[in-house]
This record gives sequence, structure tokens and C-alpha cells, in this order.
Amino acid sequence: KNEVEQSPQNLTAQEGEFITINCSYSVGISALHWLQQHPGGGIVSLFMLSSGKKKHGRLIATINIQEKHSSLHITASHPRDSAVYICAVNTNTGNQFYFGTGTSLTVIP
Amino acid sequence: KAGVTQTPRYLIKTRGQQVTLSCSPISGHRSVSWYQQTPGQGLQFLFEYFSETQRNKGNFPGRFSGRQFSNSRSEMNVSTLELGDSALYLCASSLPTMGSYEQYFGPGTRLTVT
Repeated sequence: KNEVEQSPQNLTAQEGEFITINCSYSVGISALHWLQQHPGGGIVSLFMLSSGKKKHGRLIATINIQEKHSSLHITASHPRDSAVYICAVNTNTGNQFYFGTGTSLTVIP
Repeated sequence: KAGVTQTPRYLIKTRGQQVTLSCSPISGHRSVSWYQQTPGQGLQFLFEYFSETQRNKGNFPGRFSGRQFSNSRSEMNVSTLELGDSALYLCASSLPTMGSYEQYFGPGTRLTVT
């Protein structure tokens, strides 16, 4: 059983579309992270959340602690958003990191 | 500020050998974490070092070990390499805060075991 589940696994969108990626987790957490990984392997941390909502440019991340669920939204998607998006959690005991399997996003011009 | 650097970027080793990977964190960051990424298992947490002490450890065999130096640079060692150790090894550094922390990732070292 995976501690972190992401959906969808793969996503293809037309440029300009609104995109949502979902993440559910089963452990108690102190924080949830959204990461972006481009081809070639480099990982960038997009958001770290422990409650509520954060916005950075066209990206919005929300978390519902009671439902153990988070969403990453991309507004007005662009081909440069094409990447793998990974949800990760810090547990609140032992400070372990668990990762989702990632969502591969392709935005077509 | 320079980002997290990892050396080497690519490495080819033979089964049974050992390997040492290096990670230099962002200046001022005292926590360094190591991760393994494979196509089959995805990203998995190896261990975290803070102020030269291992603070957290994932579920990996004892062949995987690490250390951190007084300048916060960290090394990861894998002994008796197996084919399944072929992976992208990533390190990440973070500020010295308690609890949850934002991580800054290095470019990774791609290890191939033949």
C-alpha cells in the first residue's frame, strides 16, 4: 500500500487548459510538497503546504488536512509546463518522506 | 547563491564494487537528504543528515550509508553494488529549521551498475 497516491498518472492537455492533479495520503503529516521534475532529472520544489492554499503565478496548491487530500492546479497551461509533478509528504512522526508516483503532464501547443 | 551540486553526474560501476557520491549543499543549509529514483519504485527517501548526524533514515539495507562533514557537505556510499542499485541519486539541502522544511534539489548522479 502506498502512503501517497496521485492521479492521474498521465495527463495530456491543450495549451490554455486548466489542469488539476490530485494527491491523497494515508499518514499523519506535518507538510505536503509539490515537486516538478523536467526531463533530465532536475527537481524543483513548487510548494510546501501544511494548511489552506498557496499561489505562485499560474500555479495554485490546496490542501484539506481533514480529508488528507491536496490538489495542484495549473491555470492557462503552457507547453513549458510539461513535466512530471510529484506529491510528497513529511510524516509528523519520525519525519519520513513519502512520495507519490508522479503525474506526467504533456501540454500540446 | 550557488545551488546544490552533486558529483559525479554520471557513473558506471560493476556489480560488487562500491561507490561514493558527493553533495554540496547551498551555503548556510545544514540539512542534507538523499533520495533514490528508479523507474520501478519512483522516488524513495534514503537518509537525512543534520549537523553531521544522521537524523532520519528510510528503509534501505545497510549497504547504503552516508556521512556529513563539518562544512555540511555530504557523501553517500553504496557497497557491494547490485544491478538494482542503478538509479538516479538525488540530494537536497534545506535551512536548519525544525519540523518540515522546503528542499532544494541537486541535479542528481545517474549510477549505472553493469
